[in-house]
Amino acid sequence: EIVLTQSPGTLSLSPGERATLSCRASQSVTARYLAWYQHKPGQAPRLLIYGASTRATGIPDRFSGSGSGTDFTLTISRLEPEDFAVYYCQQYGSSPRTFGQGTKLEIK
Amino acid sequence: QVTLRESGPALVEPTQTLTLTCTFSGFSLSSNGMCVSWVRQPPGKALEWLALIDWDDDKYYRTYLKTRLTISKDTSKNQVVFTMTNMDPVDTATYYCARLSAGTTSPFDFWGQGTLVTVSS
Repeated sequence: EIVLTQSPGTLSLSPGERATLSCRASQSVTARYLAWYQHKPGQAPRLLIYGASTRATGIPDRFSGSGSGTDFTLTISRLEPEDFAVYYCQQYGSSPRTFGQGTKLEIK
Repeated sequence: QVTLRESGPALVEPTQTLTLTCTFSGFSLSSNGMCVSWVRQPPGKALEWLALIDWDDDKYYRTYLKTRLTISKDTSKNQVVFTMTNMDPVDTATYYCARLSAGTTSPFDFWGQGTLVTVSS
């Protein structure tokens, strides 16, 4: 199965700053079938990005995804207070679909 | 508006069978491309996909858990039922149901809030 490794484990930034989150796959992700989710405690996870770079419905354009093959990035251009959460990447092109371990984005 | 909600016991004893129900609204699981999946997250660990059922009643399971898992749907009630047999303390986790809307090779576009299941005697 494809192992996804996210880095860093924790990212401490201030509102207004730029956040760059990394997701590296143990083998190439089929057809860029890579998604990013945001998860806040007690809430349902929210789909942000799919197809490596397509924003889901209603997602602000400060969120962007890029990458292909084994290296993917989620960028939040200018952090808002509501963006502090845990972020997961997931590949859904190969069975079993797998998730990274998450990056916690916390307020500095 | 698409919503999903998980329900079931908060506490299960070892060796028992866990039964969880996902009740959803805002879509029909008989529509082409629609699927519902179960995902879990043990405390402090990563998310793990477990099972999926699609609009055509095809079912898919995590290979190493396949003998313990069953997923089924009741389209008339807008529900998906998930069972896991022979529960063990390592199965303690928050269990989520999630929708896929573009076939089995698509992301989870809506999730429930999850239900914490503790396995303990």
